[in-house]
Amino acid sequence: DGGITQSPKYLFRKEGQNVTLSCEQNLNHDAMYWYRQDPGQGLRLIYYSQIVNDFQKGDIAEGYSVSREKKESFPLTVTSAQKNPTAFYLCASRSRRGDSYNEQFFGPGTRLTVL
Amino acid sequence: AQRVTQPEKLLSVFKGAPVELKCNYSYSGSPELFWYVQYSRQRLQLLLRHISRESIKGFTADLNKGETSFHLKKPFAQEEDSAMYYCALGGGSNYKLTFGKGTLLTVNP
Repeated sequence: DGGITQSPKYLFRKEGQNVTLSCEQNLNHDAMYWYRQDPGQGLRLIYYSQIVNDFQKGDIAEGYSVSREKKESFPLTVTSAQKNPTAFYLCASRSRRGDSYNEQFFGPGTRLTVL
Repeated sequence: AQRVTQPEKLLSVFKGAPVELKCNYSYSGSPELFWYVQYSRQRLQLLLRHISRESIKGFTADLNKGETSFHLKKPFAQEEDSAMYYCALGGGSNYKLTFGKGTLLTVNP
């Protein structure tokens, strides 16, 4: 199913390397989000963007970077500064029209493993 | 600061039994509360939100501001209800959601 897609599904990285996770949506949503999901930790917000060319740090932004050059795309870079990057990463998007707390739609996720 | 507490990591019930997944929150303003669900091998998706006051798949949740709770209930659990359930809190002008750590519900036959 389309809507919001993430690639790759699995990603392996050597220590010291930066990697970029892709997130694309064709829902015409203004807001996009990156979460990290760890067992027993729930979802923790890394970065979010309400509009193009603007983004804010979430609760665990250290070691991560993002860009929002296009409405459809919100890539996440996991840098070598992230001390424990092995995790499942979820991207989400939300419409800002009408109700302010519209549903967030989630992608299928990318599992990142650092070797 | 916003905080969501789901006290049970795991919850196991038998088919046909009532189920209640607990959620407590901490927020000084006017909260928006949600339940999201993640079935095996599926995406995380919205189950219900408190302002809708609706029942989805037999589940209901009532916001109790006095007890700062938003417990999810279903009178008769089904095996297909087995999933990970997350309570989420929204508040403030930035429209961020704060998620709890989740409760894994298993409904046994």
